[in-house]
Amino acid sequence: QKEVEQNSGPLSVPEGAIASLNCTYSDRGSQSFFWYRQYSGKSPELIMSIYSNGDKEDGRFTAQLNKASQYVSLLIRDSQPSDSATYLCAVRSPGGYQKVTFGTGTKLQVIP
Amino acid sequence: GAVVSQHPSRVICKSGTSVKIECRSLDFQATTMFWYRQFPKQSLMLMATSNEGSKATYEQGVEKDKFLINHASLTLSTLTVTSAHPEDSSFYICSAGYSSYEQYFGPGTRLTVT
Repeated sequence: QKEVEQNSGPLSVPEGAIASLNCTYSDRGSQSFFWYRQYSGKSPELIMSIYSNGDKEDGRFTAQLNKASQYVSLLIRDSQPSDSATYLCAVRSPGGYQKVTFGTGTKLQVIP
Repeated sequence: GAVVSQHPSRVICKSGTSVKIECRSLDFQATTMFWYRQFPKQSLMLMATSNEGSKATYEQGVEKDKFLINHASLTLSTLTVTSAHPEDSSFYICSAGYSSYEQYFGPGTRLTVT
């Protein structure tokens, strides 16, 4: 079982719709969770971090964490073509200072 | 804040030569930096964790004598690819640890070995 799992996609949504990206993790002791966005040919960019159960909102982005079910999700409201990218879920290893494990990413395509 | 730079952004070198890549945290001090490699259409692969003033910790399967990492100060880490070969051609990305939890990535270095 992979430590951090994501559906590779592509996930296609029409412009203006809500995009929902999901991630599951295997280590129940994980404490910190991150979403990165990576455009083709570019390096990842941190867009959200979440540390406690529940929702965290930042503009059009909402991260949701459920530690009991070991999943974390990212919702993108009012999706724009510029949101088309690969979204990487990352989980910080317990005891590993700042070291995170990345999922393989979900490719999102927003159709104009 | 939390800006990380990398230099060079792109490098082409001949097989057998060595290439040095620099990673700098511009507006914060990073006790820990990370080096990743990413092949086309594949996920990030952590190569090593670099701690200021100590030896780097390499991931399994990464040759420490081939990928030399130096973290001489709180704002600079370098990765040297020694005796590069075409199979080393890849996108190399560093990240710096900001606060206790978050990592911020540099823009990456695209290495092509001919």
